[in-house]
Amino acid sequence: DAKTTQPPSMDCAEGRAANLPCNHSTISGNEYVYWYRQIHSQGPQYIIHGLKNNETNEMASLIITEDRKSSTLILPHATLRDTAVYYCIVRENTDKLIFGTGTRLQVFP
Amino acid sequence: GAVVSQHPSWVICKSGTSVKIECRSLDFQATTMFWYRQFPKQSLMLMATSNEGSKATYEQGVEKDKFLINHASLTLSTLTVTSAHPEDSSFYICATIPGQNTEAFFGQGTRLTVV
Repeated sequence: DAKTTQPPSMDCAEGRAANLPCNHSTISGNEYVYWYRQIHSQGPQYIIHGLKNNETNEMASLIITEDRKSSTLILPHATLRDTAVYYCIVRENTDKLIFGTGTRLQVFP
Repeated sequence: GAVVSQHPSWVICKSGTSVKIECRSLDFQATTMFWYRQFPKQSLMLMATSNEGSKATYEQGVEKDKFLINHASLTLSTLTVTSAHPEDSSFYICATIPGQNTEAFFGQGTRLTVV
């Protein structure tokens, strides 16, 4: 079973920041948090990952709480092309990536 | 960057036939390959994990005799859907993680339709 829980859907206005929450309360100390998104049943697209520290790249920022039981993916300026299903995944010690149900983000004009 | 090439991207086959899906790692070695299946409007479900030179490990409820996985080299893993039936119609995706602190690289996916 997936170690993550996410809201099933969210809306965001174009140009605004999209903040996608994820709970992973059973995460172990050396397990990474990964974020992927999927558009129209294409292969998942990598966004970002982290272990303990907050991370930022050209696509997004990842904020991980100090106790590591939850995290937030931030898309700073959402565009219509960011409409997708976003998956928060804990990479298990076996290296498996078990997908949860994800959050369907709808960016509207 | 690292790329996983998956073929074919789509395939239509008749019931009872077998279909082979290939995933190749380009410019890097993939000692482990993960195989997923995705039904419409559902999430990706891990089917099995293949390791180069050894038997694949299947997730609970996945029939190993129906979904044959071979990982004969460090750059090629294959999934064969044997005696396909319409209920096997799905989107199949492979993925590999080259290192400890790296992203997972996914194939482009194969849409299988069994008629």
